[in-house]
Amino acid sequence: DTGVSQDPRHKITKRGQNVTFRCDPISEHNRLYWYRQTLGQGPEFLTYFQNEAQLEKSRLLSDRFSAERPKGSFSTLEIQRTEQGDSAMYLCASSSPTSGFNEQFFGPGTRLTVL
Amino acid sequence: AQKITQTQPGMFVQEKEAVTLDCTYDTSDPSYGLFWYKQPSSGEMIFLIYQGSYDQQNATEGRYSLNFQKARKSANLVISASQLGDSAMYFCAMRPIHMNYGGSQGNLIFGKGTKLSVKP
Repeated sequence: DTGVSQDPRHKITKRGQNVTFRCDPISEHNRLYWYRQTLGQGPEFLTYFQNEAQLEKSRLLSDRFSAERPKGSFSTLEIQRTEQGDSAMYLCASSSPTSGFNEQFFGPGTRLTVL
Repeated sequence: AQKITQTQPGMFVQEKEAVTLDCTYDTSDPSYGLFWYKQPSSGEMIFLIYQGSYDQQNATEGRYSLNFQKARKSANLVISASQLGDSAMYFCAMRPIHMNYGGSQGNLIFGKGTKLSVKP
């Protein structure tokens, strides 16, 4: 059983460009979460899915951010018209109802740098 | 509003000694879960230990134990017999538990973390 995977691990882009990140959760995990972590801070919640349904979105998720999980398996997070303030580590996590959703397993993250 | 406070930006501990990392929380939810995660320099968040607000006993997982004091709203992590590999950032987190969501609600709320350095 492999862990949560994220692709790419690093992304450097110019301001104004669009970027898309992918997250593959642990198989059989029906909940998937996106967090953002800036330097010196703990992760901040962005959004989460149960199967293909997006159940909650943070106010941090501006109109430039969109997340999808079309088939209830992998998820994508897209940032349009990137800004320098979007530079951060984007973390994905998944969880399973067998643990009462208590334990979230995190992926290695995608580090975004906006120049 | 829910909030996690970790007042120790950095801690040093001698190898093989025990160390306590502080965490206090604020919430109006009657039921909640408390978590500790470890983040090595590689960046991946590693789950360490969980405590439910309704649990009567403090959680333990190997060398990790959670000193839960509900009245004080504190959930300190105790690491016994520190090892060099314990050097990392440690984050305390919380999540409300709402039964109408079939268990835990989604998102974790994290503190700012404590950087632990283990000296040989």
